[in-house]
Amino acid sequence: EAGVAQSPRYKIIEKRQSVAFWCNPISGHATLYWYQQILGQGPKLLIQFQNNGVVDDSQLPKDRFSAERLKGVDSTLKIQPAKLEDSAVYLCASSFGHRTDTQYFGPGTRLTVL
Amino acid sequence: TQLLEQSPQFLSIQEGENLTVYCNSSSVFSSLQWYRQEPGEGPVLLVTVVTGGEVKKLKRLTFQFGDARKDSSLHITAAQPGDTGLYLCAGSDAGGTSYGKLTFGQGTILTVHP
Repeated sequence: EAGVAQSPRYKIIEKRQSVAFWCNPISGHATLYWYQQILGQGPKLLIQFQNNGVVDDSQLPKDRFSAERLKGVDSTLKIQPAKLEDSAVYLCASSFGHRTDTQYFGPGTRLTVL
Repeated sequence: TQLLEQSPQFLSIQEGENLTVYCNSSSVFSSLQWYRQEPGEGPVLLVTVVTGGEVKKLKRLTFQFGDARKDSSLHITAAQPGDTGLYLCAGSDAGGTSYGKLTFGQGTILTVHP
């Protein structure tokens, strides 16, 4: 069974530029999560989708971050404009349902903002 | 806001030694999960504990959930170099409107020297 796919794996941009990350969850998984993991910290949930609807985006900096999940499958996370403090690994995870279901993580995208 | 404190933050030991990692909170969780993350990869689930006082064993790893479901520990017996990695605890509140949101600790970086 294919795992969660993410691209790109690495991205380096200048501050104030925009960037987009892509995630393809495990087939059949209804719930998709985006996490931000800053070096030396645990992952922090940015946004959670159930199918193509948002169920939690309380920690998403909405002035610069946006995310969508097209047709309840793939998802993109965008940052515009980027700040130095956005340098982090952006992890995508998916689960069959939500609440107590196991979350499966992708390899992440490492973003460096210069 | 639910917080999880992990300790120690760094652990460097010799092969064959035993170690314990602690995960503490003032909040009650419906379940607690332990993950292991290797460089360049996403976290991989090791175990989920649900019942207060529950003990689970996975080969040389022993996981315990506190009676009050506020804390947990991970004990590794006779550590091996292959155990090297970042260990993360994550609490889930499956009730209410949290939709099973995971709150992660900051992680413990374990290095086992041959």
